[in-house]
Amino acid sequence: DADVTQTPRNRITKTGKRIMLECSQTKGHDRMYWYRQDPGLGLRLIYYSFDVKDINKGEISDGYSVSRQAQAKFSLSLESAIPNQTALYFCATSDFGASGQETQYFGPGTRLLVL
Amino acid sequence: GENVEQHPSTLSVQEGDSAVIKCTYSDSASNYFPWYKQELGKRPQLIIDIRSNVGEKKDQRIAVTLNKTAKHFSLHITETQPEDSAVYFCAASMWSSASKIIFGSGTRLSIRP
Repeated sequence: DADVTQTPRNRITKTGKRIMLECSQTKGHDRMYWYRQDPGLGLRLIYYSFDVKDINKGEISDGYSVSRQAQAKFSLSLESAIPNQTALYFCATSDFGASGQETQYFGPGTRLLVL
Repeated sequence: GENVEQHPSTLSVQEGDSAVIKCTYSDSASNYFPWYKQELGKRPQLIIDIRSNVGEKKDQRIAVTLNKTAKHFSLHITETQPEDSAVYFCAASMWSSASKIIFGSGTRLSIRP
């Protein structure tokens, strides 16, 4: 789904470095999410934002921060990367509306390796 | 908060047989239950969903059932094919302006030829 893009797609960094993962969407959705995927642990929510002025912590927010620069952009930062933050990171948007259902549209993922 | 448990974590079935993946949820207020499929190396994508006012929903070879009393829901895939091999995630949410979707831990389904 080219409407949700993530940069970079792959990143290798060293312990202690600060890095930023970026997400952009052209779907016009208000809701955006950052997930982390580890083998056997499914999709764990890091942070989410329901609009530009709204930022909420998910279940595993420690060690991460986010910025919602605009409706279309939601960035995830690792202030001081550590090896156990090695994972696949997904950004997602959703079309919450009056229909009673909410479909999440995922970006292609960013594979991060912290040495 | 909501907690979603998914079983089994891995499942292997013969091509042509059926596959069933089960999930339970903890918050009785949850009323929307989507299923996502993630093929190898790709992003998760919605394949089917059900709302709490419906007990069953079908879309070709896939179906989802919901038991609100027991707080569990299941994904059924019939006549499995090689392209069904993937990781499947269930999820639950309370559809409201303040809710968020909670995902299960995933099931890796393999179809044996």
